[in-house]
Amino acid sequence: DAGVIQSPRHEVTEMGQEVTLRCKPISGHDYLFWYRQTMMRGLELLIYFNNNVPIDDSGMPEDRFSAKMPNASFSTLKIQPSEPRDSAVYFCASSPPGGLNTEAFFGQGTRLTVV
Amino acid sequence: GEDVEQSLFLSVREGDSSVINCTYTDSSSTYLYWYKQEPGAGLQLLTYIFSNMDMKQDQRLTVLLNKKDKHLSLRIADTQTGDSAIYFCAEVMKGSARQLTFGSGTQLTVLP
Repeated sequence: DAGVIQSPRHEVTEMGQEVTLRCKPISGHDYLFWYRQTMMRGLELLIYFNNNVPIDDSGMPEDRFSAKMPNASFSTLKIQPSEPRDSAVYFCASSPPGGLNTEAFFGQGTRLTVV
Repeated sequence: GEDVEQSLFLSVREGDSSVINCTYTDSSSTYLYWYKQEPGAGLQLLTYIFSNMDMKQDQRLTVLLNKKDKHLSLRIADTQTGDSAIYFCAEVMKGSARQLTFGSGTQLTVLP
């Protein structure tokens, strides 16, 4: 398996524009996580899904952020409208079925710059 | 509360041992993890320890857990330049399903 695949790797957009980040989890994994990494706040969990259903979105910062998982092999994180403070690296991770101690596999991240 | 703290930077000489420390505040943590992040890459799981263990060794890596002080450490023996990266400790708390709470990360620099 190629691992968790995120696209694009880099995104530069103007303030006010809509941004869509994409993630393909590892086949067979039933958990999917979206994290945001910044220098100021470190790694923050935004939302996670189990079997395509959002379980906890309490980390989503504002209504401008939304995430979907229409099927087991695809998820999107959308920011509309984007703001400069949204600039960060966004990671998607997935983990397989199992007990509490199950490794989360991370994608390489999308570096978002909002100017 | 949920708070995981780490020192931000550590420099060591190649061949020396590195010790990266982490403190956490939630005593209900069940599993504690160490992840490694190389430049431009995602996080990769290095090792983990269950909360009822005091120590775990895996080749050059030794994890020590002091539950009384809520202190976790990662020792890397014979540190190599390829070990230069950011190291994150993370915890999964009882009842929180798969949610990982990460520390701020420690930037390890290995000097030749």
